[in-house]
Amino acid sequence: EAGVVQSPRYKIIEKKQPVAFWCNPISGHNTLYWYLQNLGQGPELLIRYENEEAVDDSQLPKDRFSAERLKGVDSTLKIQPAELGDSAVYLCASSLAPADTQYFGPGTRLTVL
Amino acid sequence: AQSVAQPEDQVNVAEGNPLTVKCTYSVSGNPYLFWYVQYPNRGLQFLLKYITGDNLVKGSYGFEAEFNKSQTSFHLKKPSALVSDSALYFCAVRANYGGSQGNLIFGKGTKLSVKP
Repeated sequence: EAGVVQSPRYKIIEKKQPVAFWCNPISGHNTLYWYLQNLGQGPELLIRYENEEAVDDSQLPKDRFSAERLKGVDSTLKIQPAELGDSAVYLCASSLAPADTQYFGPGTRLTVL
Repeated sequence: AQSVAQPEDQVNVAEGNPLTVKCTYSVSGNPYLFWYVQYPNRGLQFLLKYITGDNLVKGSYGFEAEFNKSQTSFHLKKPSALVSDSALYFCAVRANYGGSQGNLIFGKGTKLSVKP
């Protein structure tokens, strides 16, 4: 069974530029999560989807971050414009249901110059 | 507040020796607890979880964890460490009230270094 797929794995951009990350969850997993992981820290939830609905986006900085999960499968996380402080690893995870074990993708390492 | 603490930034052990990575939690009601491992430039891999039942939970790669309700701890253990166990380990608890209900709250991680 394929795991959670994320692309790109690495992205380097200049500040004020837009950037987008893509995630394909494990087949059949209805719940999808985006996390932010700063260096030396544990992951912090940005947004949680149940099917197409964003059920918890309280930690998503909505002035510059946006996300979508069309058709309840793939998801895209966007930053526009990027700031220096956005440099981090962005992790996507999925689970069968909200109460089930979460499985993580390899992450996208973003560097903002 | 719901939280997880991993008091050690780094744990060093010799190969073949037992290892323990510590975790304490704060959450009301019955906790759902998890351990994940992260290798360099990789995502988090699920090791084991405690939901209910036996306080000793067995997981992947020979790891186990002991749930202790009175001490609010969930320490990760392995009887004999391998060099390949060297990685970053994260403890997490599922939030069970408030707006974050159902979400995982992670500790800051513990770097395990196993020397030959």
